[in-house]
Amino acid sequence: NAGVTQTPKFQVLKTGQSMTLQCAQDMNHNSMYWYRQDPGMGLRLIYYSASEGTTDKGEVPNGYNVSRLNKREFSLRLESAAPSQTSVYFCASIMGYSNQPQHFGDGTRLSIL
Amino acid sequence: AQSVTQLDSHVSVSEGTPVLLRCNYSSSYSPSLFWYVQHPNKGLQLLLKYTSAATLVKGINGFEAEFKKSETSFHLTKPSAHMSDAAEYFCVVRLSGGGADGLTFGKGTHLIIQP
Repeated sequence: NAGVTQTPKFQVLKTGQSMTLQCAQDMNHNSMYWYRQDPGMGLRLIYYSASEGTTDKGEVPNGYNVSRLNKREFSLRLESAAPSQTSVYFCASIMGYSNQPQHFGDGTRLSIL
Repeated sequence: AQSVTQLDSHVSVSEGTPVLLRCNYSSSYSPSLFWYVQHPNKGLQLLLKYTSAATLVKGINGFEAEFKKSETSFHLTKPSAHMSDAAEYFCVVRLSGGGADGLTFGKGTHLIIQP
């Protein structure tokens, strides 16, 4: 039972480099999310996608772009990485507008040097 | 607007003693409330949820939480702490029938278990 799968698990980048974080879920969920987690800050929403073909900004979208490739996949792209983007990134999914809980991936630990 | 306040950033208890992690929320609507646990280098795992059924909710690993509307609280408890309970705990509020951005996370409580 895979749930939410994130790749890669770890990555080190140099300032200015670009990369894409991948997320896929196999639960037929409608909504998907990208969060970043920093010490003492909890989880902060970067972008979310309520359904295939739609994306919306969250609390901290600057420096990021997203693509909802299909119902299963939701990618997060850093076009020009900055040290302030060093963080742990989590992808989550949920079945639409329900009271069900989110399902989370295990995270991507990203360091920008 | 809704918000979540986890009243303690760190809680330290001895193994075998009770655990209390406090969460207060504000919401104009009937909320759904969740507690998640995060072990080191892992994602968030659901402990329990309240969605307007019984006010006392039982979760995994012996945890439970009580929804108190009059106090706008959803505190997490466990009668006897175990070393494996050492982790970060998050309280989360979601608007009933809310949209995809209707989730609000607390900043987390780090639970330390002393041997």
